Amino acid sequence: DAKTTQPPSMDCAEGRAANLPCNHSTISGNEYVYWYRQIHSQGPQYIIHGLKNNETNEMASLIITEDRKSSTLILPHATLRDTAVYYCIVRARNGGTSYGKLTFGQGTILTVHP
Amino acid sequence: DARVTQTPRHKVTEMGQEVTMRCQPILGHNTVFWYRQTMMQGLELLAYFRNRAPLDDSGMPKDRFSAEMPDATLATLKIQPSEPRDSAVYFCASGLVSGSEQYFGPGTRLTVT
Repeated sequence: DAKTTQPPSMDCAEGRAANLPCNHSTISGNEYVYWYRQIHSQGPQYIIHGLKNNETNEMASLIITEDRKSSTLILPHATLRDTAVYYCIVRARNGGTSYGKLTFGQGTILTVHP
Repeated sequence: DARVTQTPRHKVTEMGQEVTMRCQPILGHNTVFWYRQTMMQGLELLAYFRNRAPLDDSGMPKDRFSAEMPDATLATLKIQPSEPRDSAVYFCASGLVSGSEQYFGPGTRLTVT
């Protein structure tokens, strides 16, 4: 799976949009971009994933650049409960024994302050 | 609200003792994953199962760790004998082969003294 690069930490004011960048310049055509987050003392939680089109769900939006070498996770109205470590992961599509494996990096510690 | 459950939530044991951690995946999920999290190494995949068959356990120290799925509702991770360096939080996750998400349990915090 392709390696990802994320800033180690970011701050955001409550109520503002949090934009978390991720670089995955070696991504290949059969790999998706996934985002998970881990709130302190809890298990990781799935947020969103995408292949090449922008995606939106009830939690966040995912913007993937046209060359697919980077992406941005957007939390439109951050709350204090969004304080967590955010992981950007690149993972292969269906098939093969590697399907399903998630390789976590160090992630970005997002702190939302009042 | 379907969730992955793990027991025990906390375990303190002495070096050399056997440790068994249990996981109940979400009903109907056919993939199960075991991860370990430490401050130094972060989250690491230890093993994973598809339809109860072990698919990959390359992340697991084979001499002391073993993972099994005796049935579709139970996954176990055993450490025998345990060592202080095994102290970590162990997470179980489940999902569908056809799906995109993994659902993580709350973890078992293991301390080996």
